[in-house]
Amino acid sequence: EVQLLESGGGLVQPGGSLRLSCAASGFTFSSFAMTWVRQAPGKGLEWVSTITGGGGSTFYADSVEGRFTISRDNSKSTLYLEMSSLRAEDTAVYYCAKRGEREPFFDYWGQGTLVTVST
Amino acid sequence: DIQMTQSPSSLSASVGDRVTITCRPSQNIIRGLHWYQQKAGKAPKVLIYATSTLQSGVPARFSGSRSGTDFTLTISSLQPEDFATYYCHQSYSIPWTFGQGTKVEIK
Repeated sequence: EVQLLESGGGLVQPGGSLRLSCAASGFTFSSFAMTWVRQAPGKGLEWVSTITGGGGSTFYADSVEGRFTISRDNSKSTLYLEMSSLRAEDTAVYYCAKRGEREPFFDYWGQGTLVTVST
Repeated sequence: DIQMTQSPSSLSASVGDRVTITCRPSQNIIRGLHWYQQKAGKAPKVLIYATSTLQSGVPARFSGSRSGTDFTLTISSLQPEDFATYYCHQSYSIPWTFGQGTKVEIK
C-alpha cells in the first residue's frame, strides 16, 4: 500500500526557514517523480515544485523560485522541501504527491502538513 | 502559463442528478488533463486522468471527456458521498496549473 507521510510544518516568522519532509513507502520511490502542491486556507490547489525520480531535474513555480529547494534521498525514500525567506502568502497546507504510473498526474497524496507564516 | 478556467465555481444538486463541470484551458493542450475530488479537510483524490481514463477504484458514474477546447467531468447520478470540491489539472506544460475548483453542494 502506497503511503506518503509529510512532517515538518509549523509556525514560522516572516523571513524564516522551514524544512518539510515526506516519507514514502509501498512503491519503488526512485522510479517516480514527486511533487509538492500547496493549498492556502480556503483556497484552491497550487503546484509548487517537482523533482524527477533520480533527482537530476527540478522544477519550480515562479512564486517560490529562488526561495524553495526540492530534493530527495532515494536511499531513505524521502522527499524534502527546504523553504526560506518565507512570506505570509506561503501559509498553506503542503501536500506531497506521487506521479502516476503512465501519465504525469498525481495518483497518491499525503495527508498534508500546515505551514503558518506569521508574527 | 496555462490558466484553467473551471465552471461553475459552485453548484447545488440533488442525489440522483446528473452533474457536469467544465474546464477550459487558456491555450490548447493536446494531453495531460486530469480531475480530482477533494473533501473538506482531506487530500485530493484523482478521479480521471488523461482526459477520460477512470482511475482504479473510482465508481463508473464519473466520466471525463473533451469537446473542442473544453474538458468535462460528468457525474451521471450524484451520490451523497460525491458532495465535495472538484479540480481540473493540466500537466501539459510547466508550470502545472489547477482550475479554481467547483464546490458541489446539496440542494
